[in-house]
Amino acid sequence: QVQLAESGPGLVKPSETLSLTCSVSGDSIINNAYYWGWIRQSPGKGLEWIGNIFSGGTTYYNPSLKSRVTISLDTSKNQFSLNLTSVTAADTALYFCARRHNAFDRWGQGVRVTVSS
Amino acid sequence: QSVLTQPPSVSGAPGQRVTISCTGGNANLGAGYDVHWYQQFPGTAPKLLIYGNYKRPSGVPDRISGSKSGTSASLAITGLQAEDEADYYCQSYDSSLSAWVFGGGTKLTVL
Repeated sequence: QVQLAESGPGLVKPSETLSLTCSVSGDSIINNAYYWGWIRQSPGKGLEWIGNIFSGGTTYYNPSLKSRVTISLDTSKNQFSLNLTSVTAADTALYFCARRHNAFDRWGQGVRVTVSS
Repeated sequence: QSVLTQPPSVSGAPGQRVTISCTGGNANLGAGYDVHWYQQFPGTAPKLLIYGNYKRPSGVPDRISGSKSGTSASLAITGLQAEDEADYYCQSYDSSLSAWVFGGGTKLTVL
């Protein structure tokens, strides 16, 4: 049974970098059948795709966030990470990591991140 | 404003059939990209209900179905149950945005 779990600080100061990690169990992130991605949900709002990374390291980012986003793999730990720079209050959201084949078929439980001084 | 448009809310009585629409355009659904549907309860992660327009993952009951035609797609739930009360999102790929996109979500209320 594949499981994903997000971790990271729940509070980030404006202008700083938000860093989250997704730990994957029950599957290998170098399984080339899947992409691994990040999606967020602002309070009371809908879902926003942030980006994906393929097992070989190829990344795909939402153009609206591309200048600030980096997604990377840590194959030794079977984890992948999200870095979002220069955060503002608009980046306050529930952040999910997910596995994608055709659709996002497995999700983590989410981690709530607040941007505030 | 999402490029995939869903009604903000729908409702139905137990046992009834409801449908949720997802309207896109020529750069997403109309371009042949698949639509997927998710169910989300407050404060929890979305769950995949339908992928590839009409396919159900293992464990999703057959009273839930999906369809797609042209620039529109629909999610249908028959035999409505109280446990179906949740938010529902459609999702596809948009080639003009070069991004995976979600609809704005539809809140289903079971009366």
